[in-house]
Amino acid sequence: EIVMTQSPATLSVSPGERATLSCRASQSVSLNLAWYQQKPGRAPRLLIYTASTRVTGIPVRFSGSGSGTEFTLTIASLQSEDFAIYYCQQYDEWPPTFGQGTKVEIK
Amino acid sequence: EVQVLESGGGLVQPGGSLRLSCAASGFSFGLYDMRWVRQAPGKGLEWVSSISASGDKTYYTDSVRGRFTISRDNAKNTVSLQLNSLRAEDTAVYYCAKPHFPSGNYFDYWGPGTLVTVSS
Repeated sequence: EIVMTQSPATLSVSPGERATLSCRASQSVSLNLAWYQQKPGRAPRLLIYTASTRVTGIPVRFSGSGSGTEFTLTIASLQSEDFAIYYCQQYDEWPPTFGQGTKVEIK
Repeated sequence: EVQVLESGGGLVQPGGSLRLSCAASGFSFGLYDMRWVRQAPGKGLEWVSSISASGDKTYYTDSVRGRFTISRDNAKNTVSLQLNSLRAEDTAVYYCAKPHFPSGNYFDYWGPGTLVTVSS
């Protein structure tokens, strides 16, 4: 199965700053990559699919980029509600697999 | 409005069984595959099982194959996951998830989850 590796494990950022999260696949997943946000005690929320398509209603400060094996989620100006854990997930090959997550915490 | 709601979790002894249910509404349930994803305490997300829209195709992650059984009732808009021969490592929050597209493998709606704890 495809292994997804996220870095860093924890990202400390001040409100208003930019956050850049990375996700690497063990083999090419083309553009078949999604990002989710999860807050404590809540279910994951889909933010982005096909590597860069924002879900309706997701703020424009969230953007995704990349293809193949290297992907990035950028949060342009962190708001208080953005502090959470972010997961990438590939759906290019069966089974779908998730990264281990990046926790974005307040600096 | 799309809604997905799991039920049936609880505390069970190793080797025991549980049946999880997921009730869905607000979309054409009978046209969509459905998925179960789990999250062990403090850990990441793991896909567990999938079922096709008609129910004729089922899939499982290796660690649960032969112990878990997924099924659905399109007349009642429900999907179930029967958990048998439970192990401590099955302890997790189990989420029912709807794919963004009918047979897709990324998920736009998730239930709040139901906690399964396997412990003596």
